[in-house]
Amino acid sequence: AQRVTQPEKLLSVFKGAPVELKCNYSYSGSPELFWYVQYSRQRLQLLLRHISRESIKGFTADLNKGETSFHLKKPFAQEEDSAMYYCALPSGGYNKLIFGAGTRLAVHP
Amino acid sequence: GAVVSQHPSRVICKSGTSVKIECRSLDFQATTMFWYRQFPKQSLMLMATSNEGSKATYEQGVEKDKFLINHASLTLSTLTVTSAHPEDSSFYICSATPASGQGAPNNEQFFGPGTRLTVL
Repeated sequence: AQRVTQPEKLLSVFKGAPVELKCNYSYSGSPELFWYVQYSRQRLQLLLRHISRESIKGFTADLNKGETSFHLKKPFAQEEDSAMYYCALPSGGYNKLIFGAGTRLAVHP
Repeated sequence: GAVVSQHPSRVICKSGTSVKIECRSLDFQATTMFWYRQFPKQSLMLMATSNEGSKATYEQGVEKDKFLINHASLTLSTLTVTSAHPEDSSFYICSATPASGQGAPNNEQFFGPGTRLTVL
């Protein structure tokens, strides 16, 4: 069965420090993975998807099929990066998504 | 573009009453809409998938008679919580995926702002 695991509930760093939010998945076949972000009092929005291989707001994520991981990274965290981050994986038909538990990133000045 | 709205943003009701939540895609047609539930400090839990003109598909453990979903047009889906009880209090979020040919990947979900339901 498809599953997304985000092992960290909270990641707390200082401004300028590197950030890595972990995501591991269980999926049969070639998955298309996503990172969604939810800033305080805002709606969930797509941050990036692995097939586009782009960098959004300085964040990148590489799909590692051997380790079944899709960790989100940023070399230098900013205070405005503080938010909830969710890793997501398609599941079943109609483009359903299943979400990980989420990781709260707190960037301190 | 690709804005999804929900109405109301928050609702308080008495136990036993029914509450309807609307989800609209404002600037695109959505063949599929999804309804999620989010408990405080927890992730989104998919409740059901709503396709225009057909019956919704419910996730395991979600009572279809309790959570009625109607997707009458390509821009509107409604979720009705029937005979609401305090345990139904939650944050309900909808999302929509654009129909093909509208300039966005058709598997990208655009999310509404959510509706906070409080049942007294």
